[in-house]
Amino acid sequence: AQTVTQSQPEMSVQEAETVTLSCTYDTSESDYYLFWYKQPPSRQMILVIRQEAYKQQNATENRFSVNFQKAAKSFSLKISDSQLGDAAMYFCAFITGTASKLTFGTGTRLQVTL
Amino acid sequence: NAGVTQTPKFQVLKTGQSMTLQCAQDMNHNSMYWYRQDPGMGLRLIYYSASEGTTDKGEVPNGYNVSRLNKREFSLRLESAAPSQTSVYFCASTKSGLAGNYEQYFGPGTRLTVT
Repeated sequence: AQTVTQSQPEMSVQEAETVTLSCTYDTSESDYYLFWYKQPPSRQMILVIRQEAYKQQNATENRFSVNFQKAAKSFSLKISDSQLGDAAMYFCAFITGTASKLTFGTGTRLQVTL
Repeated sequence: NAGVTQTPKFQVLKTGQSMTLQCAQDMNHNSMYWYRQDPGMGLRLIYYSASEGTTDKGEVPNGYNVSRLNKREFSLRLESAAPSQTSVYFCASTKSGLAGNYEQYFGPGTRLTVT
């Protein structure tokens, strides 16, 4: 079975500081893709960043970057210079090369304080 | 270009009533999905359609049926609603029926309460 584990139900960060959200996953396949989705109070699911497993270089999107450790099956999200608008639920998800559906973690609620 | 649209946004049902959640996408995507989101459970896949004319069960299909009406539309039906089906329902679509690296685009969600 393919699983995604987010061990931090809640995290808090001060504005302008850096925070890292953890995610581990389990799959026996070698071809897969990893994602972080953000869900603000509006409920809309927004893609933050994606990582292809075959790429060694960690993905970055502006203030968002990942630390992808394939051997450890770890995919953490780093948010730099945190802003109030970053407050949301963050979901880690992955999809394998043979499947056509995402597997989601249970989410981490991020609070941003002044 | 509206992306993925869902109707209704909110619905309250009594136990035993039936209803259909509608989903449409205008991005010419091949694959469409229905998820439910419950507190502390993340998103769980109910059904998906890898391409027009096909549907498959996901993780939690019991109590639901789906119809891929055409390439654009994918509906979810609750034949006899139960309180356990109280949840937020999301429809999503993606370009390819294979994993690829294609992003899943989500609709705004439907909050369903069954009393």
